[in-house]
Amino acid sequence: NAGVTQTPKFRILKIGQSMTLQCTQDMNHNYMYWYRQDPGMGLKLIYYSVGAGITDKGEVPNGYNVSRSTTEDFPLRLELAAPSQTSVYFCASRNRGANTEAFFGQGTRLTVV
Amino acid sequence: DQQVKQNSPSLSVQEGRISILNCDYTNSMFDYFLWYKKYPAEGPTFLISISSIKDKNEDGRFTVFLNKSAKHLSLHIVPSQPGDSAVYFCAAHNNDMRFGAGTRLTVKP
Repeated sequence: NAGVTQTPKFRILKIGQSMTLQCTQDMNHNYMYWYRQDPGMGLKLIYYSVGAGITDKGEVPNGYNVSRSTTEDFPLRLELAAPSQTSVYFCASRNRGANTEAFFGQGTRLTVV
Repeated sequence: DQQVKQNSPSLSVQEGRISILNCDYTNSMFDYFLWYKKYPAEGPTFLISISSIKDKNEDGRFTVFLNKSAKHLSLHIVPSQPGDSAVYFCAAHNNDMRFGAGTRLTVKP
């Protein structure tokens, strides 16, 4: 099992450009999450999904969009990138049920210049 | 809204002593609490967890305590080892999953 795979690992964007951060999991997990971690800070929840076709906003959704057309994939779309979106982005997944832990990808380091 | 809080950004302990990391939460709907460990340039990895119906869970050197009335949980590491040096995140979930700001633990030889 590959677990949670994020691509790309690094990316530099210019202000106003758009991009999609990819996240795929092969564990058949229902729940998937996107977080951002700014330097010296904790993980802030951007969006999450409890199953295919269902998405919900987290703490910091502005400037981002998501979709969940399959169980495996949960892409995060940035439209009109801004310097404030410079961060490390983590995708995570976990199984349905209360007593389950999440598994994280290795992260995508995004710089907007 | 910061629903999970870790008020100590850093903690330094001597090898062999106890490390105690603290976490507070505000949302009484959380039903599961977890601790994750994170190294630089890596994703967080799961360490230990506790259900909201329990008050203690132990796994080797790691013990998590939950005080629901105080909305407080803590992670005890005994004995602490230099390899435990990392950033520790407290997390809580219902459907969404919220994290604290993290505590950087340094264990000195």
